[in-house]
Amino acid sequence: EIVLTQSPATLSLSPGERATLSCRASQSVSSYLAWYQQKPGQAPRLLIHDASSRATGIPARFSGSGSGTDFTLTISSLEPEDVAVYYCQQRTNWLFTFGGGTKVEIK
Amino acid sequence: EVQLVQSGAEVKKPGESLKISCKGSGYIFTSYWIGWVRQMPGKGLEWMGVIYPDDSDTRYSPSFQGQVTISADKSINTAYLQWSSLKASDTAMYYCARLDGTFDYWGQGSLVTVSS
Repeated sequence: EIVLTQSPATLSLSPGERATLSCRASQSVSSYLAWYQQKPGQAPRLLIHDASSRATGIPARFSGSGSGTDFTLTISSLEPEDVAVYYCQQRTNWLFTFGGGTKVEIK
Repeated sequence: EVQLVQSGAEVKKPGESLKISCKGSGYIFTSYWIGWVRQMPGKGLEWMGVIYPDDSDTRYSPSFQGQVTISADKSINTAYLQWSSLKASDTAMYYCARLDGTFDYWGQGSLVTVSS
């Protein structure tokens, strides 16, 4: 089973700052990596698919990069409404796994 | 508009059975896999399995194989997740989601509480 490790566990930044979230896979997942945002009390929402493609309606301040085993989600300028837990997720050979999540807080 | 609407919250006792549902609309239900994801209280997301409603082809996470049953009724655009004998550790929020490479649309979640 491919394990996804996210870091840091918690990120505390001021509005307008750049947020950089990391997701590392235990083996290559090619570009089959997605990022989701889950706000308190809500269902997850797809942000990024195939490592770097923004989903429909996602603001341009969200971007994804990486391939193989190392991936990054960047929020270029943090907004108060970006407070959430962010999860990465991979799919290979009909097995799906999620990372443990990074909680983004506003200072 | 794509929508997945899940059944409501359930409170059950250990040993009881349960079947929760996920009804899709706004797209061709039989053309996309539907997945189920567990979220235990205060914890992260865990993939449980997926089903292709057109022919009920089902794939399970090894962690959930034999613990739950995923099914679908394509005549009413509905997928199901069921337990034959609930345990307290099944207490969680359960989400269904449409799979189009990634889980692109999600239901609102069904909270299952198992307590004696």
